[in-house]
Amino acid sequence: GNSVTQMEGPVTLSEEAFLTINCTYTATGYPSLFWYVQYPGEGLQLLLKATKADDKGSNKGFEATYRKETTSFHLEKGSVQVSDSAVYFCALRTGTLFNNAGNMLTFGGGTRLMVKP
Amino acid sequence: NAGVTQTPKFQVLKTGQSMTLQCAQDMNHEYMSWYRQDPGMGLRLIHYSVGAGITDQGEVPNGYNVSRSTTEDFPLRLLSAAPSQTSVYFCASTTGVTEAFFGQGTRLTVV
Repeated sequence: GNSVTQMEGPVTLSEEAFLTINCTYTATGYPSLFWYVQYPGEGLQLLLKATKADDKGSNKGFEATYRKETTSFHLEKGSVQVSDSAVYFCALRTGTLFNNAGNMLTFGGGTRLMVKP
Repeated sequence: NAGVTQTPKFQVLKTGQSMTLQCAQDMNHEYMSWYRQDPGMGLRLIHYSVGAGITDQGEVPNGYNVSRSTTEDFPLRLLSAAPSQTSVYFCASTTGVTEAFFGQGTRLTVV
């Protein structure tokens, strides 16, 4: 079955520090990979995605590269801000038009990021 | 744009009570799903639907029922609440190809 493993938090950084949140996966087929972010008291929002090997997803200064050889999709940001404090979820989807259950997302456990001024 | 709307935002139930969590989307998405979020476990799929009249079980379906009579609505029913169902519940919708859109969540406490 599908699974996603991401580093446990919390991760505490000072403002302008470099961020890496590790994510590895196991999946049947060829998954699409996602990072979602959850700000306090809110639902999940898509941060970035990649749909095939070697694709790089990017948004708001965050980046992640789909590495098929290492089954990884690590999230990085060069300089974090206090406003980046949130919980980050790595997720995958293996769906096709003929595999309805795979169109649902499989999530990692989430990593809480706390950025101090 | 409303997107995915969940009600209520907060709920406290006594053990054995029943309730329905409401979810509605206005994006004409075929796929809708319910997840529960528990500390350290990420989000786990409870039930999902691939269109009106079609539902199926996810990873943790026990204790929950769903139905999908319209494209827009996908309610989640707890028939007899248990403390193990204390969690934050999220509804999501997608076309199946694009990203999933999530509601704001319902924080449920069963005492």
